[in-house]
Amino acid sequence: QLQLQESGPGLVKPSETLSLTCTVSGGSISRGSYYWGWIRQPPGKGLEWIGTIFYSGTTFYNPSLKSRVTISLNTSKNQFSLTLTSVTAADTAVYYCTTTPAPPGSWGAFDIWGQGTMVTVS
Amino acid sequence: DIVMTQSPDSLAVSLGERATINCKSSQSVFHSTNNKNRLAWYQQKPGQPPKLLISWTSTRESGVPDRFSGSGSGTDFTLTISSLQAEDVAVYYCQQYYGTPWTFGQGTKVEIK
Repeated sequence: QLQLQESGPGLVKPSETLSLTCTVSGGSISRGSYYWGWIRQPPGKGLEWIGTIFYSGTTFYNPSLKSRVTISLNTSKNQFSLTLTSVTAADTAVYYCTTTPAPPGSWGAFDIWGQGTMVTVS
Repeated sequence: DIVMTQSPDSLAVSLGERATINCKSSQSVFHSTNNKNRLAWYQQKPGQPPKLLISWTSTRESGVPDRFSGSGSGTDFTLTISSLQAEDVAVYYCQQYYGTPWTFGQGTKVEIK
């Protein structure tokens, strides 16, 4: 069974770059069964999809963040990563790594989540 | 972007009673390729990540109790908890996966009356 675990700094300075990694266990990110992605949740607020990547390298980003976001794969380590540049206090949130089944499955519904990691911009 | 609007923002229900959450999308999420609505529901308990309860409007994920049911089509959807249990206290989110950016409702907090 797939499991996801986020890691990375909990504190980032304004204008700097946020970098997080998601380590996948219980399956290979190189399989075509899933897409891999990130969702965030500011304290006390709702959920925002950041972006998603397929093992082929194809990416999909939320236009609201697209100019600042990069999601990439490290197949040798079975990990995928998020970088968000030029952060501000508005980027303070819990960041979750997630999976969504590849088509013809429920592509876009997030069935597996990491526990989340809190990132504060200050 | 497709805007998802839930109602109410919060509700308090007695144990064993029915809880109903509504979700409205700003445009239809019905996908003609498989004649299904691309609408999901999640449950989030404090300090935990969201958990996918229902996909395709009404298909429960494995292990989800059958007191949870989803219905609706087009732009109007409902999550029903038929008999509220103490462990159902949580925030519930609807989400459309018809088109990117995939978007969520603002959440509905369910409490015990």
